[in-house]
Amino acid sequence: GAGVSQTPSNKVTEKGKYVELRCDPISGHTALYWYRQSLGQGPEFLIYFQGTGAADDSGLPNDRFFAVRPEGSVSTLKIQRTERGDSAVYLCASSSSITDTQYFGPGTRLTVL
Amino acid sequence: AQTVTQSQPEMSVQEAETVTLSCTYDTSESNYYLFWYKQPPSRQMILVIRQEAYKQQNATENRFSVNFQKAAKSFSLKISDSQLGDTAMYFCAFIANAGGTSYGKLTFGQGTILTVHP
Repeated sequence: GAGVSQTPSNKVTEKGKYVELRCDPISGHTALYWYRQSLGQGPEFLIYFQGTGAADDSGLPNDRFFAVRPEGSVSTLKIQRTERGDSAVYLCASSSSITDTQYFGPGTRLTVL
Repeated sequence: AQTVTQSQPEMSVQEAETVTLSCTYDTSESNYYLFWYKQPPSRQMILVIRQEAYKQQNATENRFSVNFQKAAKSFSLKISDSQLGDTAMYFCAFIANAGGTSYGKLTFGQGTILTVHP
C-alpha cells in the first residue's frame, strides 16, 4: 500500500481482556516500530523490528506486552490482562532501514474501561 | 540518555505570517538525526523536515526551514506564510547512533500546539 496502515482504528475493551493491534508497513520496509502516545504527550518508543526479529524491545513496559512480526511484514502488538493505564494511542511506523526516516500510520486508539 | 525539550506548549499565528517553534535536545552522541513531525487532529504523524547532524547547512522544505545550532543543541522550526492547514501539534524528535544499538528509537519532545488564525 501507499502508507502504513493500522487496524483497528479504535478499540474499546474491558479491564483484564486481551487485545491485538495490527500494523501493515509500507511495502519493502524492513524496519518496523511501535510507539505509545498518551493524551497530550509525545510518542514513547516500545519496540522495533529489523526483519522478523525484535532488535530492541526495551520500551515494552512489562511482560503483558508482546509483539511479533513472523514474516517480516505485518506486525501484531499483543496486550494481555489490559489495565486502564494501557489506554493510549498506539502508533506504528516503518522505514526502509534503521537510519532512514520513519513513516507513521494513523494509530489505534485503545480505551480500557 | 537522550532528551528533547519543547518549551512552548502552545503557539498561535495569523495566516500568512511567520512563526518559529523551539526545540532543544541533549545527547553525548556526535552522529544523529533531528526531525520535525506534524500531527493534526486526524492523529496521522507527518514528517515535516529532517536534518542530519553532520550537515552544517540548515534543511529547508518549501515554507518550512530549520535553524540548527549544533553547539547549542538547538533545532528550531520556522514556518513561513502560515496556512490554516498548518494547524496541528508539532513534535521535535531525535534519533542517535550509539554503537549501532540506539538507531530505531525516536525520542520525541512534548509537542507544541500551533493554531493558525484566519
